[in-house]
Amino acid sequence: DGGITQSPKYLFRKEGQNVTLSCEQNLNHDAMYWYRQDPGQGLRLIYYSQIVNDFQKGDIAEGYSVSREKKESFPLTVTSAQKNPTAFYLCASSIDGTGGYGYTFGSGTRLTVV
Amino acid sequence: QQPVQSPQAVILREGEDAVINCSSSKALYSVHWYRQKHGEAPVFLMILLKGGEQKGHEKISASFNEKKQQSSLYLTASQLSYSGTYFCGTQLKEYNNNDMRFGAGTRLTVKP
Repeated sequence: DGGITQSPKYLFRKEGQNVTLSCEQNLNHDAMYWYRQDPGQGLRLIYYSQIVNDFQKGDIAEGYSVSREKKESFPLTVTSAQKNPTAFYLCASSIDGTGGYGYTFGSGTRLTVV
Repeated sequence: QQPVQSPQAVILREGEDAVINCSSSKALYSVHWYRQKHGEAPVFLMILLKGGEQKGHEKISASFNEKKQQSSLYLTASQLSYSGTYFCGTQLKEYNNNDMRFGAGTRLTVKP
Protein backbone atom coordinates (compact mmCIF):
# COMPACT_ATOMS: atom_id res chain seq x y z
CA ASP A 1 0.00 0.00 0.00
CA GLY A 2 1.24 3.47 -0.83
CA GLY A 3 1.62 6.03 1.90
CA ILE A 4 3.90 8.12 4.07
CA THR A 5 6.02 6.63 6.81
CA GLN A 6 7.29 8.79 9.63
CA SER A 7 9.76 7.52 12.17
CA PRO A 8 10.18 7.32 15.02
CA LYS A 9 6.68 7.66 16.44
CA TYR A 10 8.03 9.06 19.73
CA LEU A 11 11.35 10.84 20.18
CA PHE A 12 13.00 12.27 23.25
CA ARG A 13 15.75 14.83 22.99
CA LYS A 14 18.02 16.42 25.50
CA GLU A 15 18.42 20.16 25.36
CA GLY A 16 21.24 21.19 23.06
CA GLN A 17 20.98 18.14 20.82
CA ASN A 18 20.02 18.01 17.17
CA VAL A 19 17.55 15.33 16.12
CA THR A 20 16.38 14.19 12.70
CA LEU A 21 12.83 13.09 11.94
CA SER A 22 12.40 10.75 9.04
CA CYS A 23 9.71 11.02 6.35
CA GLU A 24 9.51 8.57 3.45
CA GLN A 25 6.77 8.28 0.81
CA ASN A 26 6.16 5.68 -1.89
CA LEU A 27 3.37 7.58 -3.61
CA ASN A 28 5.62 9.06 -6.28
CA HIS A 29 4.50 12.52 -5.16
CA ASP A 30 6.57 15.50 -6.23
CA ALA A 31 5.83 17.80 -3.29
CA MET A 32 6.48 17.20 0.39
CA TYR A 33 5.80 19.29 3.49
CA TRP A 34 6.57 19.50 7.19
CA TYR A 35 4.07 20.85 9.67
CA ARG A 36 4.23 21.37 13.39
CA GLN A 37 1.11 20.86 15.49
CA ASP A 38 0.66 22.40 18.93
CA PRO A 39 -2.51 22.24 20.99
CA GLY A 40 -4.99 24.91 19.93
CA GLN A 41 -2.84 26.20 17.09
CA GLY A 42 -3.55 23.83 14.27
CA LEU A 43 -0.82 22.98 11.80
CA ARG A 44 1.95 25.44 11.05
CA LEU A 45 4.16 25.09 8.00
CA ILE A 46 7.87 24.60 8.63
CA TYR A 47 9.33 23.76 5.20
CA TYR A 48 8.10 22.50 1.88
CA SER A 49 9.68 21.07 -1.25
CA GLN A 50 8.13 20.92 -4.69
CA ILE A 51 10.95 19.07 -6.42
CA VAL A 52 14.13 17.23 -5.57
CA ASN A 53 17.03 19.43 -4.43
CA ASP A 54 14.75 22.40 -3.84
CA PHE A 55 12.87 23.55 -0.75
CA GLN A 56 11.36 26.71 0.71
CA LYS A 57 10.87 28.03 4.21
CA GLY A 58 7.42 28.10 5.69
CA ASP A 59 6.14 30.30 8.50
CA ILE A 60 8.24 28.84 11.33
CA ALA A 61 11.49 27.63 9.72
CA GLU A 62 13.84 29.07 12.34
CA GLY A 63 15.67 26.31 14.20
CA TYR A 64 14.84 23.68 11.58
CA SER A 65 16.60 22.37 8.50
CA VAL A 66 15.62 19.97 5.71
CA SER A 67 17.06 18.22 2.69
CA ARG A 68 15.48 16.70 -0.40
CA GLU A 69 18.12 14.57 -2.07
CA LYS A 70 15.64 11.90 -3.15
CA LYS A 71 12.07 12.23 -4.33
CA GLU A 72 10.77 9.83 -1.72
CA SER A 73 12.58 11.28 1.30
CA PHE A 74 12.28 14.60 3.14
CA PRO A 75 13.99 14.45 6.56
CA LEU A 76 13.59 17.27 9.08
CA THR A 77 16.35 18.19 11.51
CA VAL A 78 15.37 19.99 14.68
CA THR A 79 18.45 21.89 15.77
CA SER A 80 19.46 23.16 19.18
CA ALA A 81 18.54 26.65 17.93
CA GLN A 82 14.84 25.74 18.09
CA LYS A 83 13.76 27.19 21.44
CA ASN A 84 10.62 25.19 22.00
CA PRO A 85 10.78 21.99 19.96
CA THR A 86 8.34 19.88 21.97
CA ALA A 87 5.46 19.27 19.56
CA PHE A 88 3.79 16.84 17.19
CA TYR A 89 5.39 16.88 13.75
CA LEU A 90 3.51 15.88 10.63
CA CYS A 91 4.93 15.19 7.21
CA ALA A 92 2.69 15.40 4.15
CA SER A 93 2.94 14.99 0.40
CA SER A 94 0.95 15.93 -2.67
CA ILE A 95 1.03 14.86 -6.30
CA ASP A 96 2.40 18.22 -7.31
CA GLY A 97 3.05 21.62 -5.83
CA THR A 98 -0.46 22.86 -6.50
CA GLY A 99 -1.94 20.52 -3.92
CA GLY A 100 -4.95 20.23 -6.17
CA TYR A 101 -5.59 16.61 -5.24
CA GLY A 102 -5.18 17.05 -1.52
CA TYR A 103 -2.40 16.19 0.86
CA THR A 104 -1.55 12.77 2.26
CA PHE A 105 -0.24 12.88 5.81
CA GLY A 106 2.01 10.56 7.76
CA SER A 107 1.12 9.38 11.27
CA GLY A 108 3.43 11.92 12.88
CA THR A 109 6.35 12.03 15.29
CA ARG A 110 5.88 13.31 18.82
CA LEU A 111 9.07 15.04 19.96
CA THR A 112 9.67 15.76 23.61
CA VAL A 113 12.62 17.69 25.01
CA VAL A 114 13.76 16.35 28.37
CA GLN B 1 -2.14 34.06 6.71
CA GLN B 2 -3.79 31.24 8.64
CA PRO B 3 -7.53 30.94 8.08
CA VAL B 4 -9.90 31.39 10.99
CA GLN B 5 -12.20 28.53 11.91
CA SER B 6 -15.37 28.64 13.97
CA PRO B 7 -16.60 27.30 16.24
CA GLN B 8 -13.63 25.94 18.19
CA ALA B 9 -15.63 23.00 19.48
CA VAL B 10 -19.02 21.37 18.89
CA ILE B 11 -20.82 18.65 20.81
CA LEU B 12 -23.63 16.80 19.05
CA ARG B 13 -25.96 13.90 19.61
CA GLU B 14 -26.09 11.25 16.91
CA GLY B 15 -28.32 12.37 14.07
CA GLU B 16 -27.84 16.10 14.66
CA ASP B 17 -26.33 18.49 12.13
CA ALA B 18 -23.35 20.83 12.38
CA VAL B 19 -21.71 23.58 10.35
CA ILE B 20 -18.04 24.51 10.57
CA ASN B 21 -16.84 27.75 9.04
CA CYS B 22 -13.48 28.76 7.62
CA SER B 23 -12.64 32.31 6.60
CA SER B 24 -9.64 34.08 5.15
CA SER B 25 -8.57 37.71 5.07
CA LYS B 26 -7.04 37.20 1.61
CA ALA B 27 -8.29 35.95 -1.75
CA LEU B 28 -8.37 32.18 -1.93
CA TYR B 29 -7.33 29.80 -4.67
CA SER B 30 -8.63 26.73 -2.90
CA VAL B 31 -10.00 25.36 0.33
CA HIS B 32 -9.25 21.87 1.65
CA TRP B 33 -11.01 20.05 4.46
CA TYR B 34 -9.38 17.38 6.62
CA ARG B 35 -10.46 15.32 9.62
CA GLN B 36 -8.03 14.15 12.28
CA LYS B 37 -8.83 11.58 14.92
CA HIS B 38 -6.91 11.70 18.16
CA GLY B 39 -3.31 10.56 17.72
CA GLU B 40 -3.75 9.90 14.01
CA ALA B 41 -2.84 11.63 10.78
CA PRO B 42 -5.27 14.12 9.22
CA VAL B 43 -7.30 12.56 6.44
CA PHE B 44 -8.23 14.45 3.29
CA LEU B 45 -12.00 14.94 2.87
CA MET B 46 -12.39 17.27 -0.10
CA ILE B 47 -11.06 20.24 -1.98
CA LEU B 48 -13.00 23.19 -3.37
CA LEU B 49 -11.44 25.13 -6.21
CA LYS B 50 -14.09 27.39 -7.65
CA GLY B 51 -16.24 30.03 -6.14
CA GLY B 52 -19.69 28.70 -5.40
CA GLU B 53 -18.53 25.12 -5.70
CA GLN B 54 -20.15 22.58 -3.47
CA LYS B 55 -18.89 19.09 -2.94
CA GLY B 56 -20.17 16.10 -1.05
CA HIS B 57 -18.63 13.16 0.71
CA GLU B 58 -21.18 10.76 2.20
CA LYS B 59 -23.24 13.01 4.50
CA ILE B 60 -20.46 15.59 4.68
CA SER B 61 -20.50 18.41 2.16
CA ALA B 62 -18.87 21.79 1.77
CA SER B 63 -19.36 25.08 -0.02
CA PHE B 64 -16.93 27.76 -1.13
CA ASN B 65 -17.91 31.42 -1.33
CA GLU B 66 -15.06 33.04 -3.24
CA LYS B 67 -16.39 36.58 -2.81
CA LYS B 68 -16.62 36.27 0.96
CA GLN B 69 -13.35 34.29 1.08
CA GLN B 70 -14.90 31.62 3.18
CA SER B 71 -15.94 28.00 3.16
CA SER B 72 -18.39 26.00 5.25
CA LEU B 73 -18.39 22.29 6.04
CA TYR B 74 -21.79 20.70 6.60
CA LEU B 75 -22.19 17.50 8.59
CA THR B 76 -25.71 16.10 8.43
CA ALA B 77 -27.25 13.30 10.48
CA SER B 78 -23.98 12.94 12.36
CA GLN B 79 -22.60 9.54 13.30
CA LEU B 80 -20.25 8.57 16.10
CA SER B 81 -17.50 8.07 13.50
CA TYR B 82 -17.65 11.77 12.64
CA SER B 83 -15.96 12.68 15.91
CA GLY B 84 -12.57 14.26 15.50
CA THR B 85 -10.94 17.59 14.77
CA TYR B 86 -11.75 19.20 11.44
CA PHE B 87 -9.21 21.46 9.77
CA CYS B 88 -9.60 23.70 6.81
CA GLY B 89 -6.55 24.40 4.71
CA THR B 90 -6.33 27.34 2.36
CA GLN B 91 -4.15 28.22 -0.58
CA LEU B 92 -3.91 31.89 -1.45
CA LYS B 93 -4.14 33.28 -4.97
CA GLU B 94 -1.24 35.64 -4.38
CA TYR B 95 1.18 32.77 -3.80
CA ASN B 96 0.27 31.06 -7.05
CA ASN B 97 -1.22 28.07 -5.29
CA ASN B 98 1.92 27.10 -3.38
CA ASP B 99 1.86 25.83 0.18
CA MET B 100 -1.15 25.57 2.38
CA ARG B 101 -2.06 27.17 5.68
CA PHE B 102 -4.37 25.47 8.15
CA GLY B 103 -6.88 26.80 10.63
CA ALA B 104 -6.67 25.96 14.32
CA GLY B 105 -9.27 23.25 13.97
CA THR B 106 -12.79 22.54 15.21
CA ARG B 107 -13.17 19.68 17.66
CA LEU B 108 -16.36 17.77 16.95
CA THR B 109 -17.70 15.30 19.49
CA VAL B 110 -20.69 13.13 18.61
CA LYS B 111 -22.36 11.39 21.54
CA PRO B 112 -24.82 8.48 21.46
